[in-house]
Amino acid sequence: DAGVIQSPRHEVTEMGQEVTLRCKPISGHDYLFWYRQTMMRGLELLIYFNNNVPIDDSGMPEDRFSAKMPNASFSTLKIQPSEPRDSAVYFCASSLSRVGGADGYTFGSGTRLTVV
Amino acid sequence: SQQGEEDPQALSIQEGENATMNCSYKTSINNLQWYRQNSGRGLVHLILIRSNEREKHSGRLRVTLDTSKKSSSLLITASRAADTASYFCATEYSGGGADGLTFGKGTHLIIQP
Repeated sequence: DAGVIQSPRHEVTEMGQEVTLRCKPISGHDYLFWYRQTMMRGLELLIYFNNNVPIDDSGMPEDRFSAKMPNASFSTLKIQPSEPRDSAVYFCASSLSRVGGADGYTFGSGTRLTVV
Repeated sequence: SQQGEEDPQALSIQEGENATMNCSYKTSINNLQWYRQNSGRGLVHLILIRSNEREKHSGRLRVTLDTSKKSSSLLITASRAADTASYFCATEYSGGGADGLTFGKGTHLIIQP
């Protein structure tokens, strides 16, 4: 397996534009997580899915953020409209269990988002 | 916040020396995990220690857990330049609920050649 695949790796957009981040989890992993990483706040869990169903979205900062998982091999995180304070690295991770078990979470390489 | 906190925030040592990082947390846990993040990359799982375990080894890594002090340490022996990275602890809290793992802000380790 190629691991968790995220795209794009870098995204620069203007304030007010819509941004869509994409993630392909590891095949067979039932859990998919979206995290945001900033220097100030560290890694924050935004939302996670179990078998394509959103379980906990309490970390989603505002209604401007939405996430979907239409099937077991694809998820999107959308920000509309984007704001400069959304600038961060967004990670997708997948795992066999909610807390990862012996193998933990497998993270993608992240999308570095810059909103100007 | 229920985040674990790593200490120190940054650590610089000479190649070949041992590196020790600490993690403190606030409430009871089921397990604690350590991850490594190289610059510009995602996190990589290193090791998991359960609440009923006190010490665990994996190659040059040694992890300890003291539940009475709510703390864990990660020791990297005979450090190498390739160990330069940020190291994070992640906790699964035992209070129930639907949370995933909670990560600390990390220790940035620099190995000087």
